[in-house]
Amino acid sequence: GENVEQHPSTLSVQEGDSAVIKCTYSDSASNYFPWYKQELGKRPQLIIDIRSNVGEKKDQRIAVTLNKTAKHFSLHITETQPEDSAVYFCAASSNSGNTPLVFGKGTRLSVIA
Amino acid sequence: EADIYQTPRYLVIGTGKKITLECSQTMGHDKMYWYQQDPGMELHLIHYSYGVNSTEKGDLSSESTVSRIRTEHFPLTLESARPSHTSQYLCASSEYPGRGNSYEQYFGPGTRLTVT
Repeated sequence: GENVEQHPSTLSVQEGDSAVIKCTYSDSASNYFPWYKQELGKRPQLIIDIRSNVGEKKDQRIAVTLNKTAKHFSLHITETQPEDSAVYFCAASSNSGNTPLVFGKGTRLSVIA
Repeated sequence: EADIYQTPRYLVIGTGKKITLECSQTMGHDKMYWYQQDPGMELHLIHYSYGVNSTEKGDLSSESTVSRIRTEHFPLTLESARPSHTSQYLCASSEYPGRGNSYEQYFGPGTRLTVT
């Protein structure tokens, strides 16, 4: 089955700097890669996702890149702000509809003002 | 408003009790999921369902059961609660691939369970 590794487990950056979180996956059949943000005491929420027919996707300060050959994908947050502080989860799945999302273990991002 | 709801939000119960955590969604989603998560930590999939009368076990399904009699309702039952069950339980739902443009998984607010 699919296995998703996520690094680092914790990350501290100064406000205004960039943050990068990396994930690797094992199943070459995976073709959907979402990122979820979970603020303290809140439920996880989708912030961006990418499918395997695209190498990069951007939404304002957030971008995701995908390298299918190397089986890794990354979340990039630019110009970080204190409200970006949260736990971020990457995930992978195939869209066959027969397997649920496999999540990474999460990265706790702290943005220091 | 279309959303996913969980009750109770907080529950303190003694060891050995049988409990049912409720989850309902008003989004018409086919897929529903239960996760166990210690605050801010890894999400562990307990059970999932791809439609009425369909249930599957996840990685952490022991000692619990689910049912899916109605599309909108997906309750989780612990037959005999133990202190090791103390955690937060998150319910989620999503569209069946192909019906919509998004595979987004929507999470409920969670039930925080404490077993004494």
